[in-house]
Amino acid sequence: KNEVEQSPQNLTAQEGEFITINCSYSVGISALHWLQQHPGGGIVSLFMLSSGKKKHGRLIATINIQEKHSSLHITASHPRDSAVYICAVGTNTGNQFYFGTGTSLTVIP
Amino acid sequence: NAGVTQTPKFRVLKTGQSMTLLCAQDMNHEYMYWYRQDPGMGLRLIHYSVGEGTTAKGEVPDGYNVSRLKKQNFLLGLESAAPSQTSVYFCASSYSMDSLWNNEQFFGPGTRLTVL
Repeated sequence: KNEVEQSPQNLTAQEGEFITINCSYSVGISALHWLQQHPGGGIVSLFMLSSGKKKHGRLIATINIQEKHSSLHITASHPRDSAVYICAVGTNTGNQFYFGTGTSLTVIP
Repeated sequence: NAGVTQTPKFRVLKTGQSMTLLCAQDMNHEYMYWYRQDPGMGLRLIHYSVGEGTTAKGEVPDGYNVSRLKKQNFLLGLESAAPSQTSVYFCASSYSMDSLWNNEQFFGPGTRLTVL
């Protein structure tokens, strides 16, 4: 069973394009995380949210608790944004943390 | 300030051998986590700890043991390695300002383990 589903799996964009990555989950959550995994393998946290919307630079994350859905947007995409973006949720019962399989983004100059 | 470090970076084991992966953090974080990452499966939680002397099971704990004897260290042990444990292992840590999953996690660089 997949508690967290991401789409698309792979995404290629031209530099400057607006990008949206989607995440749907099937469990009750206390928080949703967006992570970025660089081509070298390192993982960094981008956002943690439990409601509403957060913005950091060109990145925006939104969550709709009722629909169990979150989106990660990248405005004015740049080749340095090329990475795997991973959605993860912490459950509000059972203390588990589930990850999506990631969206591989390539931004072409 | 090194953040989260993992030792070793790479290791090759034979089936049945044992080893311990070390995770260390210098940010005075209460919470620490061990994950494994496999192609097509994504990341999965193995064990976690909410403080010194406490550990708990995650989604895939079988075949692994953990210990948190010191706040800054979280050890992951494989008593009898199996080829199914070939994976990349990530450690992470976080503050405890909020409930378990409501804190930003800081990840180590990973350990690539191959079991032959």
